[in-house]
Amino acid sequence: EAGVVQSPRYKIIEKKQPVAFWCNPISGHNTLYWYRQNLGQGPELLIRYENEEAVDDSQLPKDRFSAERLKGVDSTLKIQPAELGDSAVYLCASSAVGVSHNEQFFGPGTRLTVL
Amino acid sequence: GNSVTQMEGPVTLSEEAFLTINCTYTATGYPSLFWYVQYPGEGLQLLLKATKADDKGSNKGFEATYRKETTSFHLEKGSVQVSDSAVYFCALSSSSGNTPLVFGKGTRLSVIA
Repeated sequence: EAGVVQSPRYKIIEKKQPVAFWCNPISGHNTLYWYRQNLGQGPELLIRYENEEAVDDSQLPKDRFSAERLKGVDSTLKIQPAELGDSAVYLCASSAVGVSHNEQFFGPGTRLTVL
Repeated sequence: GNSVTQMEGPVTLSEEAFLTINCTYTATGYPSLFWYVQYPGEGLQLLLKATKADDKGSNKGFEATYRKETTSFHLEKGSVQVSDSAVYFCALSSSSGNTPLVFGKGTRLSVIA
């Protein structure tokens, strides 16, 4: 079974530029999460989707961040414009209702460096 | 709100030493508790979990027991190997539904031969 797929793995941009990250969850997983992991910290939730609906986006900085999950499968997270403080690893995870009590499967992450 | 506190690293041990990484939590209700591991250059992987009080999660020689009375979920291994070198994260989620994980800051473990 394929795991959670993310691309790109690494991205280096200059501040004020836009950037987008893509995630394809495990097939059949209806719940998708985007987390941000700052250096030396644990991941923190940005947004959670149940199918195509964003059910928890309270931690998403909506002035510059946006996300979508069309058709309830893959998802895109965008930052526009990027700031120096956005340098972090962006993790995507997915889980399935009724399977192994909220076990979340994580992708390898996208490491963003903003110069 | 929910929170997780785990011991600061880095932790450096010799091969075959005993490992303990402390984790305590604050949560309402009855959360599920997890340990995730992040090997160098790889994504987060679930190591073990426990979903109710007194449950013991175990995997790959690691164990952790859900202690509600002390709100703790300490990770232990009797004999570490060089291949256990990684960053370990304690995490919790609410007891209901597919809720987000709340993570500790992580503890880096280095095992030397």
